Amino acid sequence: NAGVMQNPRHLVRRRGQEARLRCSPMKGHSHVYWYRQLPEEGLKFMVYLQKENIIDESGMPKERFSAEFPKEGPSILRIQQVVRGDSAAYFCASSPPGRTTYEQYFGPGTRLTVT
Amino acid sequence: LAKTTQPISMDSYEGQEVNITCSHNNIATNDYITWYQQFPSQGPRFIIQGYKTKVTNEVASLFIPADRKSSTLSLPRVSLSDTAVYYCLVGDRGGSYIPTFGRGTSLIVHP
Repeated sequence: NAGVMQNPRHLVRRRGQEARLRCSPMKGHSHVYWYRQLPEEGLKFMVYLQKENIIDESGMPKERFSAEFPKEGPSILRIQQVVRGDSAAYFCASSPPGRTTYEQYFGPGTRLTVT
Repeated sequence: LAKTTQPISMDSYEGQEVNITCSHNNIATNDYITWYQQFPSQGPRFIIQGYKTKVTNEVASLFIPADRKSSTLSLPRVSLSDTAVYYCLVGDRGGSYIPTFGRGTSLIVHP
């Protein structure tokens, strides 16, 4: 039973480019969460999605960031016109339907470096 | 959401028992206490969850006093591989609250 998968594991972008981060939840999980972690800091919640719906995006920056979880395929976190401050580890987590949002299964993360 | 307070860092030695205490003075009736573990360069991993008294699994034990204003994660006989950051979270298990991860407790186990 494969865990949460994220790709790429490492992503380097120049300032102004777009970054696309992908997350495939565990089999049977329909809830996906995205977090960002800066060096030496805790995880900051960004967005919570279910299939084709954004449930809570209170942690998403208002500009340049967007997320989707289509009916088919992985969840995508998109960052347009990246800046150096976007350099961080981005983690995706999933949980099964009807279960606690406090029992999440995390992927290995995507480390974004903006040069 | 209940705010949690835990030590920023702890040091221990192989073979010792480690107890990490988390304070959550304004915990609500419906709130559960959950602990996650995060190794360097990896995503957090769910360790244990409890509501009151004691919960034990193959990884750790969780002690929760009657007033539930604090909880203690106990790791028996730690090894070097237990070096990680440990996060204490409090929230309504059945609600829509999003887990809030603070700085956690950085545990370093020495040989």
